[in-house]
Amino acid sequence: DSGVTQTPKHLITATGQRVTLRCSPRSGDLSVYWYQQSLDQGLQFLIQYYNGEERAKGNILERFSAQQFPDLHSELNLSSLELGDSALYFCASSVDWGNTEAFFGQGTRLTVV
Amino acid sequence: DQQVKQNSPSLSVQEGRISILNCDYTNSMFDYFLWYKKYPAEGPTFLISISSIKDKNEDGRFTVFLNKSAKHLSLHIVPSQPGDSAVYFCAASNYGGATNKLIFGTGTLLAVQP
Repeated sequence: DSGVTQTPKHLITATGQRVTLRCSPRSGDLSVYWYQQSLDQGLQFLIQYYNGEERAKGNILERFSAQQFPDLHSELNLSSLELGDSALYFCASSVDWGNTEAFFGQGTRLTVV
Repeated sequence: DQQVKQNSPSLSVQEGRISILNCDYTNSMFDYFLWYKKYPAEGPTFLISISSIKDKNEDGRFTVFLNKSAKHLSLHIVPSQPGDSAVYFCAASNYGGATNKLIFGTGTLLAVQP
């Protein structure tokens, strides 16, 4: 158990809909990262938050947004969903922005039908 | 632009033999490298790391080698065990940079045959 909790574990939704994925980082970790893993693809970095502020952006679509709340949990919002958004979405956390040993949650498997 | 590449999608080795997983990177600013292991239906778990000031780091059966001039790193597992069967991702970051995002390769599926 990495200590990073992601909910829900599975999500099935229709095209055009909006969903919210939730992540609770390890106790004490200030940084949260979101990654997307599509079929046969590596982990694509989406976005990083550190202590409530956006720290880095990767290949995140404009239809996607994220935030980190004062209690340090984070949410990834995906809207106007398309079939191609079906993927595993991982959240990871680390102690600070300079700590590269990030701990991953078990992921949320999103299926868009 | 795939900055971190794992050119072998899969590797099969016999139990007890050495497994060698390879990774190449293109960004010379990367100065910290990690290997993660992933079982099906689980998130990646950290395995071993190496800073660019070193060329080797060892942890039990796992050793990571870094060749900066070739922009290449490898993970050696000796001896390989069936429980090592998983997908292995290498990742790189610019530790001293303004951000700390990990850039991952596409992974290598290791199958250790009993």
